Amino acid sequence: DTGVSQDPRHKITKRGQNVTFRCDPISEHNRLYWYRQTLGQGPEFLTYFQNEAQLEKSRLLSDRFSAERPKGSFSTLEIQRTEQGDSAMYLCASSTRTSEGETQYFGPGTRLLVL
Amino acid sequence: AQRVTQPEKLLSVFKGAPVELKCNYSYSGSPELFWYVQYSRQRLQLLLRHISRESIKGFTADLNKGETSFHLKKPFAQEEDSAMYYCALLPGAQKLVFGQGTRLTINP
Repeated sequence: DTGVSQDPRHKITKRGQNVTFRCDPISEHNRLYWYRQTLGQGPEFLTYFQNEAQLEKSRLLSDRFSAERPKGSFSTLEIQRTEQGDSAMYLCASSTRTSEGETQYFGPGTRLLVL
Repeated sequence: AQRVTQPEKLLSVFKGAPVELKCNYSYSGSPELFWYVQYSRQRLQLLLRHISRESIKGFTADLNKGETSFHLKKPFAQEEDSAMYYCALLPGAQKLVFGQGTRLTINP
C-alpha cells in the first residue's frame, strides 16, 4: 500500500498523559497536513508542513499540541497533558501541487480516546 | 469567512432514484472545490474535483459561482453509494475547509 499511513490506529489514554501519533505521507508528496475530526463534524485543519517547514497552525492547536516533520518525511503530532476534549479522530493528509492543482490524500486516521 | 455548508446531515433515497447532495460555500476568491467520500470502515477518499469536470462512479458536480454551490448529483442511485459525503473548499491557502458531511443511505 503506497498511500498515507498513520500509527497507531487507536489510542486510549488517561487524562493528563502525553500521546504521540505518527504519519507517513505518500513518498513524493512535499505537503503534509493534520486535521481533527469530532463526531458529527467534518475534518478541521490543525497544521500544515511544506517539506520540513511548519507553515501554518490553526488556533485550534493549543500550546499542548506540537507537530514536527524532521527531514521533510514522516510527521509526528504530540499532545501533552491530554484532556477529555482532545478525544477525536486525528487525520493526516499529504499532497503535491501539479499543473492541475492540488489533491490531498488522507490516511486512515488515529482515533484517540481520553478517559 | 471561508465556510462550507451541507444542509442535510442525513439523506435517504431508494435504489434507482436520483440523488442530489447539496453544498454551498462562502469564499470571496476563486474557489477549488472537492467532494470526498468515506465508505464504512474506510478512509476519506477523493470522489471528484470541480477542476477536472469528470464523472466518477456516475457522480457529477457543477460549480455555480452565482449561487456559490457545488451540488453532487447522480441520476440513478446504487446501494454501494451508501456512505458519508463531504464537500470541501480549498480557498487559495492550502488547508481544506470541510462541510459537516451528509450521510447518504440507499434503500433497496
